[in-house]
Amino acid sequence: KQEVTQIPAALSVPEGENLVLNCSFTDSAIYNLQWFRQDPGKGLTSLLLIQSSQREQTSGRLNASLDKSSGRSTLYIAASQPGDSATYLCAVYSGGGADGLTFGKGTHLIIQP
Amino acid sequence: DAGITQSPRYKITETGRQVTLMCHQTWSHSYMFWYRQDLGHGLRLIYYSAAADITDKGEVPDGYVVSRSKTENFPLTLESATRSQTSVYFCASKTGAGELFFGEGSRLTVL
Repeated sequence: KQEVTQIPAALSVPEGENLVLNCSFTDSAIYNLQWFRQDPGKGLTSLLLIQSSQREQTSGRLNASLDKSSGRSTLYIAASQPGDSATYLCAVYSGGGADGLTFGKGTHLIIQP
Repeated sequence: DAGITQSPRYKITETGRQVTLMCHQTWSHSYMFWYRQDLGHGLRLIYYSAAADITDKGEVPDGYVVSRSKTENFPLTLESATRSQTSVYFCASKTGAGELFFGEGSRLTVL
């Protein structure tokens, strides 16, 4: 059974810093990996989707990488801003229908002004 | 507006009552999902649907019923609400490329 871990569970950094959030998974046979952000009281907003054949995806100040062989993905946030404060979740799809989607518990990120 | 809309956003009900949470998408995605999110448990799949008239159980289906008579709608019904069903419920749909999009959530409190 796929397990997805996000470490650290919480992170607080000063504004302007570049930072990396981690997502690790136990079974490397995945179809894709998706990063989300969730603001308090809101739904999950899709940030980036990486297909298994891709190594990375970029959107603005965000860059997500995928290393299937090591079971890791990282979300790089450049020049962090207070508006980046949110919980970031990763989800891994391993196939086999909807049950094949596994979410991490998220990293709660606070950017200090 | 394009996307997924959920209603109601907030609902307070009493134990034993029937509650229906609505979900509507404007994209015509085949796959739709219902999740609940609770502290300490993260997101858990309740039910999903691969197309109109095709539904299947997820991880925590007990006490819930779904239907999907039209592609764009996927309502979730709690037949007899219990306090343990107090939660935030999220509806989602998935593109052909596998990208998941979520609604804003429905916060349900069962007294």
